[in-house]
Amino acid sequence: GEDVEQSLFLSVREGDSSVINCTYTDSSSTYLYWYKQEPGAGLQLLTYIFSNMDMKQDQRLTVLLNKKDKHLSLRIADTQTGDSAIYFCAESIAGTASKLTFGTGTRLQVTL
Amino acid sequence: GAVVSQHPSWVICKSGTSVKIECRSLDFQATTMFWYRQFPKQSLMLMATSNEGSKATYEQGVEKDKFLINHASLTLSTLTVTSAHPEDSSFYICSATGTGGYEQYFGPGTRLTVT
Repeated sequence: GEDVEQSLFLSVREGDSSVINCTYTDSSSTYLYWYKQEPGAGLQLLTYIFSNMDMKQDQRLTVLLNKKDKHLSLRIADTQTGDSAIYFCAESIAGTASKLTFGTGTRLQVTL
Repeated sequence: GAVVSQHPSWVICKSGTSVKIECRSLDFQATTMFWYRQFPKQSLMLMATSNEGSKATYEQGVEKDKFLINHASLTLSTLTVTSAHPEDSSFYICSATGTGGYEQYFGPGTRLTVT
């Protein structure tokens, strides 16, 4: 079955790096995504990684995928107060036409 | 980038009435649209998947007669909550994919409050 889990809360100081972790159970995942949700708003796609990749970097964002352990992480370098939000990882399963299963979400709090 | 809008952004209705929420892809043709529901401080739960011109596919436990979905064109899908009750109060979010299929673009959400 599909089950995606994340830690609920992370607090970091401005300027430090944030690492948000996600574990999933379905080994047939094709794409894995990271979304950001600010209060009262929809979801913003931050980045995604194809399941045959180990790492993807996009400016301040680095995604690491350990397919053996079914572990995905998002590292935000030089975290800013504007990064405070809820971050969701999500997986899509091969053959299901982009149907996404979302993780529980991690609330990132950036302090001064 | 691809933009998805929702209307209304916020609605209050009385118990027993019906509410229609619109989801539009503004600058691309959405072959598939998805409707999600999100309770406070919780994750998104997929309610249904709709393809233009065909019947929606509902997830297990979602009442198709209560949550009517219409995807009449490649840029518009609607979700109608029929005979709404307070337990239907939630944040409803739609998303859409284009022909590429692997990126979903999300709308800003609609907050429904049923009194």
